[in-house]
Amino acid sequence: DADVTQTPRNRITKTGKRIMLECSQTKGHDRMYWYRQDPGLGLQLIYYSFDVKDINKGEISDGYSVSRQAQAKFSLSLESAIPNQTALYFCATSDLPPANEQFFGPGTRLTVL
Amino acid sequence: SQKIEQNSEALNIQEGKTATLTCNYTNYSPAYLQWYRQDPGRGPVFLLLIRENEKEKRKERLKVTFDTTLKQSLFHITASQPADSATYLCAPRGNNNDMRFGAGTRLTVKP
Repeated sequence: DADVTQTPRNRITKTGKRIMLECSQTKGHDRMYWYRQDPGLGLQLIYYSFDVKDINKGEISDGYSVSRQAQAKFSLSLESAIPNQTALYFCATSDLPPANEQFFGPGTRLTVL
Repeated sequence: SQKIEQNSEALNIQEGKTATLTCNYTNYSPAYLQWYRQDPGRGPVFLLLIRENEKEKRKERLKVTFDTTLKQSLFHITASQPADSATYLCAPRGNNNDMRFGAGTRLTVKP
C-alpha cells in the first residue's frame, strides 16, 4: 500500500463550490505539507504542519484552509473554488530533521469550471 | 523575496552523455538543498540532499555540488540513459524551515 494517499485523485467542480482534498499517511511522520503545481511554475507551498497543533501558511495560502485532524491526516479546503485554483495538488510528509526528505502523494487533479 | 531559478526549462542529450542541470537561488542562504525527480502525472521523488558545509555529494550515477558563494547547485547524471528522462526539481530549504521548489528542468535522453 502507498505510504501517502490522496483523495480524490481527480475532481471537476464549479466556481463557488466548497471542496475538500484529503491526505493520509502511514509513515508516522509529524510533518505534512500541501503544494499546488501549475505548468512552468513548479511546486508552490500552500500550508504546512509540523505537528497536530502547529499549522503554518506557505507562499500562497489565500483562498485555502487546512485541518490537521490527526498525525496521519491533513486536509486542504477551498471554501469557494475559483477557476485559477485549477491545478495539480500534492500532499507530502517528512520526518524530523536531520531526515529532511519529503515523501509525496500521487496528487489530485482539480478543475474548477 | 526568495527566488529559485533552474537554468533551462528543457534539456535534450544523447544517451551515454553527462547531463548537467543548474539551480540558482537568491535572497537567502539555505542550510541545505535537495533534488527531486518527477515523472509526468506523479509526485516528486527524493534523490539527494546536500548541506551547506558539503561541496559535493554522490549517489551511483548522480552527483550534486553546492556553492554557497555563487548561490548555485549543479546536478549531474553521468552515463545518462533514456530511463533518466524526467523533470528534475531543486529545492533549497526556505527561511521558515519550509521547502521551496524550483520550476524544474525537463530532461530528455535520446537513444
